[in-house]
Amino acid sequence: LAKTTQPISMDSYEGQEVNITCSHNNIATNDYITWYQQFPSQGPRFIIQGYKTKVTNEVASLFIPADRKSSTLSLPRVSLSDTAVYYCLVGDLGRWSSASKIIFGSGTRLSIRP
Amino acid sequence: DGGITQSPKYLFRKEGQNVTLSCEQNLNHDAMYWYRQDPGQGLRLIYYSQIVNDFQKGDIAEGYSVSREKKESFPLTVTSAQKNPTAFYLCASSDGTGTPEVYGYTFGSGTRLTVV
Repeated sequence: LAKTTQPISMDSYEGQEVNITCSHNNIATNDYITWYQQFPSQGPRFIIQGYKTKVTNEVASLFIPADRKSSTLSLPRVSLSDTAVYYCLVGDLGRWSSASKIIFGSGTRLSIRP
Repeated sequence: DGGITQSPKYLFRKEGQNVTLSCEQNLNHDAMYWYRQDPGQGLRLIYYSQIVNDFQKGDIAEGYSVSREKKESFPLTVTSAQKNPTAFYLCASSDGTGTPEVYGYTFGSGTRLTVV
C-alpha cells in the first residue's frame, strides 16, 4: 500500500496561494498521484493528477519532484469556496483491481478566511 | 449529463432492519465502488465490482452485501449484521480498464444513513 502523509489542517486567507504537501515515500513505479476535493455532505471531486514534474489545469497545479516521494498541490488565489477537505491519493486509479490499495486518509482540512 | 446518481440522499433505519442504497451511473464505466465515510474520517472501501455478476470485498465488507445485475447499477444493502451502520455512503465508478493517466473515480453525492 502506498501510504500518504499530509497535514491534518491548514488555514489561509482569500487571495493567497495555498500549497498542500503530501508525502508518499513508498510510491511504486506505476503509481500516479491524484488529488481530490470534498465539500461537506458531498462526494469527492477530482482536482488534478500527475506522474512526474509539473501539471497545471484551470483549477490547480501539481508539483512532483524527480524522486516522486512527495507532491505539492498548489491552489492559486484561493477564495472562501475553496474551503474543503483535500485528499492525496497514490496508486493506479485506472485499474479497478487497485481499488483495495488506494487509501483515502483523513485528508487536509483547508479553511479559508475573508 | 453523465454522472452517478445515489438515492435516497437521507435514509433512516430502525435497528434490525435491512436497507438498500441505490447507485446508478450513465458514464458507461465498467468498475463501480462503495465507500463508507464516518465524521472527520477518510473513505473506507466496502465492495467493488468490475463486471456484471462479479464483485470483491473491500476492507470493511462485513454486514454489507451488493449485487451487480446491470452494468449501470450497483446497489448496496446494509444488513442488520452491520452493528454500526450510521455513516455517509459514497458510490463511485471508473473506467477501470487500466488505461494509464485516467482521472480515476467519479463519485455520487452520497447517502447519509442514520439508525434510529
